[in-house]
Amino acid sequence: QQPVQSPQAVILREGEDAVINCSSSKALYSVHWYRQKHGEAPVFLMILLKGGEQKGHDKISASFNEKKQQSSLYLTASQLSYSGTYFCGTQPPLSSNTGKLIFGQGTTLQVKP
Amino acid sequence: KAGVTQTPRYLIKTRGQQVTLSCSPISGHRSVSWYQQTPGQGLQFLFEYFSETQRNKGNFPGRFSGRQFSNSRSEMNVSTLELGDSALYLCASSLVNGEQYFGPGTRLTVT
Repeated sequence: QQPVQSPQAVILREGEDAVINCSSSKALYSVHWYRQKHGEAPVFLMILLKGGEQKGHDKISASFNEKKQQSSLYLTASQLSYSGTYFCGTQPPLSSNTGKLIFGQGTTLQVKP
Repeated sequence: KAGVTQTPRYLIKTRGQQVTLSCSPISGHRSVSWYQQTPGQGLQFLFEYFSETQRNKGNFPGRFSGRQFSNSRSEMNVSTLELGDSALYLCASSLVNGEQYFGPGTRLTVT
């Protein structure tokens, strides 16, 4: 079952914040976040393995609510380099620690000067 | 460390033909996963190989197959190509916990 991402698209000015949500109807073992720029391969951002886990990377952080089967990606003080399409990839418990990810449809983020 | 490499980068085939794509993972990575990316369907999981065995499979017809060699390199094959198979095919390798690193992809166009 494909997770649902929201919003589908967002336009920001440099310095503004954004939140991207990823919601699944099924139990999750982990949530992965990737960013893909046009014409390039997806790039790994972070993985969240435990319910309630939060991680940060520079000004990008994420949380995972295992009970609600939801994850959110937070982009703070956005930079032009943050532009791209963000994907969440989910792993159900049966596929834990394997290479099987079910990706959401993606959220396109555009940061303008 | 060298990243994931995929060959060829671009491919044009005719309906009914078959195609083989290759993926070399990051050194030391034993898991290789394949994905199909299209504008309409997004990123869809095809299959995963680990230690030369298919460990996971997505919901694709039997025309899509793959294999992995003892050096972890992987190939995927698509037989009897259809127009709808036109897509970017991405492979990703991982070490542990499913954290995946993607190659640049092979752009397949079926005419």
